[in-house]
Amino acid sequence: AQTVTQSQPEMSVQEAETVTLSCTYDTSESNYYLFWYKQPPSRQMILVIRQEAYKQQNATENRFSVNFQKAAKSFSLKISDSQLGDTAMYFCAFMSRSWEASEKLVFGKGTKLTVNP
Amino acid sequence: SAVISQKPSRDICQRGTSLTIQCQVDSQVTMMFWYRQQPGQSLTLIATANQGSEATYESGFVIDKFPISRPNLTFSTLTVSNMSPEDSSIYLCSVSGNTEAFFGQGTRLTVV
Repeated sequence: AQTVTQSQPEMSVQEAETVTLSCTYDTSESNYYLFWYKQPPSRQMILVIRQEAYKQQNATENRFSVNFQKAAKSFSLKISDSQLGDTAMYFCAFMSRSWEASEKLVFGKGTKLTVNP
Repeated sequence: SAVISQKPSRDICQRGTSLTIQCQVDSQVTMMFWYRQQPGQSLTLIATANQGSEATYESGFVIDKFPISRPNLTFSTLTVSNMSPEDSSIYLCSVSGNTEAFFGQGTRLTVV
């Protein structure tokens, strides 16, 4: 079974600064996706960024980028130029892409990020 | 992409009663997922709902407590039965596309 670990329950950063959220995972599979989802107080789960395991290049979406270390099973999220609207819970998640998988997500416990003005 | 409409968005219920949560997707999907998010916690999968077959429940969740219906490829319901205060949580419906998962806006349930 897959597990996802987020070791930082809470983090804070000053507006315009850079912050990195950590995530490690455990799996025996080779074909999978990793995600970072954001959950603001509205409860809506919002996809921040996605990484395909077979792609060596780290994914980037505007101010958000990941450091994907497949051998180390590490998947950290870097937020540059932090904005007040980035304040939210951030969840790291794993999805198997094996032929027998159900496409369900396995989530880490989350990191509560606060961006301070 | 997929747009998911989930209702109710919130409810306050008496212990011992049941609540049915509805999830409507704007496209046909094979599998729908129901997650529970207890206060301050992460998302935990309750069950996977396939059209035309019994739902598959995760360890710790049983059909008598969380019956699920999946009458067609765009709709599912989750019922929280015989509720207790411990069932107070956010319940989320989800579907998976090829490369990501999409979520409803969640149902915040408070049991008093």
